[in-house]
Parts: sequence; C-alpha cells; structure tokens
Amino acid sequence: SAVISQKPSRDICQRGTSLTIQCQVDSQVTMMFWYRQQPGQSLTLIATANQGSEATYESGFVIDKFPISRPNLTFSTLTVSNMSPEDSSIYLCSVSLAGDEQYFGPGTRLTVT
Amino acid sequence: QQQVKQSPQSLIVQKGGISIINCAYENTAFDYFPWYQQFPGKGPALLIAIRPDVSEKKEGRFTISFNKSAKQFSLHIMDSQPGDSATYFCAAFYSAGKLIFGQGTELSVKP
Repeated sequence: SAVISQKPSRDICQRGTSLTIQCQVDSQVTMMFWYRQQPGQSLTLIATANQGSEATYESGFVIDKFPISRPNLTFSTLTVSNMSPEDSSIYLCSVSLAGDEQYFGPGTRLTVT
Repeated sequence: QQQVKQSPQSLIVQKGGISIINCAYENTAFDYFPWYQQFPGKGPALLIAIRPDVSEKKEGRFTISFNKSAKQFSLHIMDSQPGDSATYFCAAFYSAGKLIFGQGTELSVKP
C-alpha cells in the first residue's frame, strides 16, 4: 500500500475565497486522482492528475474552479476556487499502485460559510 | 451505463451475524471491482477486490461473490463485529484507473 497525507485536514473558509489542498505520497506514483465526497454521500471523481501532463477533468468539473498541479511523482495540489457553501465537502486524493489497487488519503474536510 | 447501484442504504446486524451488501452494474467494460470501508472522519480503505473472471474471493471474514451474467456482486461479512460498523462502498474501474462508486451502505453491528 501507500502512505498518503493531506493538508489541511480541515478548514473553514469564507465564500468567494480559494483553498489549496496538498497531497503527499511516500512513494513515486504515476496516477493520482482527486475525489469529492459531499456530506453523507458517495465519492465522485473530480480529475486525474498525471505528472508531466495537464489534469483531465470529469464531466461537471472544470479547471477554472478546480485547478490542479502535479509537479512531481509524489505530490499534487487541488485548489477550490471562488468557494460557495455548495463546495462544502470532503476532498480526497488517491493513488493507483501496482495493478488496479487504489489507495486514498485521509481527506480534507472543507466548510464554506 | 456509468453507474453502480448499491443496496441497502443502511443495515443493522447482530454481533456474530452475516452482513450482506449488494451492488449491480450495467457497463460490461468494468473489469475490476473493489470494496472500500470508511470510518467516520477517515478516508476510504481498500478492503477486498475481485475481477469478473472469478466468482468468489475470500479474505478472512470478508467474501466477495460475483455473478458476471447478472452483472451483480456482493460483499459478505461473516461473524460481524461491532468494530465492523462503518460505511461500505462498492466500486468499479471504468477507465485508466478511474473509479465509480456505489451510493454506500451504513453498517451497524449491535453487540
């Protein structure tokens, strides 16, 4: 498996501001993913972040709202821009290791007021 | 077609009993089906996974049963314990490592 850390673990932000979430992995991985989990709901894929290429976004998510960086094989950031209360969610990064196994970080709990 | 339907939404089981959670899918291109366990305030943890060429996989008290023709799979937790109380998600791989998740089942195991 992999050890994945996220910062911050939680935050409370004002509407209209932006928050950058960091994801750090203890080993080099090619594929990293960002998911959103709305309160009491399931997980939804936001985007795939591969090192050396632009992130690819799923339907309903756009780069202007959720810009992603992937500067190396152990690190990625997700920014939630111009936040509204509807952005209050848990944001999770995950990594794909050998084969199809995918492991998740502990999540960042975001509340927008 | 890009959906995984999970049931029940919630489940209460007595200690020592069997917990059964079911999932169904439409897209036959899905080729890997993991189950995740999530405790409150934590990220999902990979529990067990199966490929469609296998009808059953067992790891300790956890078993996945897979019915390829019916496009259904299920998680069985034998000898359920209060420590198993968590939310369980089934999922399916649909493209280049991307996971689509079921709606989740909140399991409560009563002592």
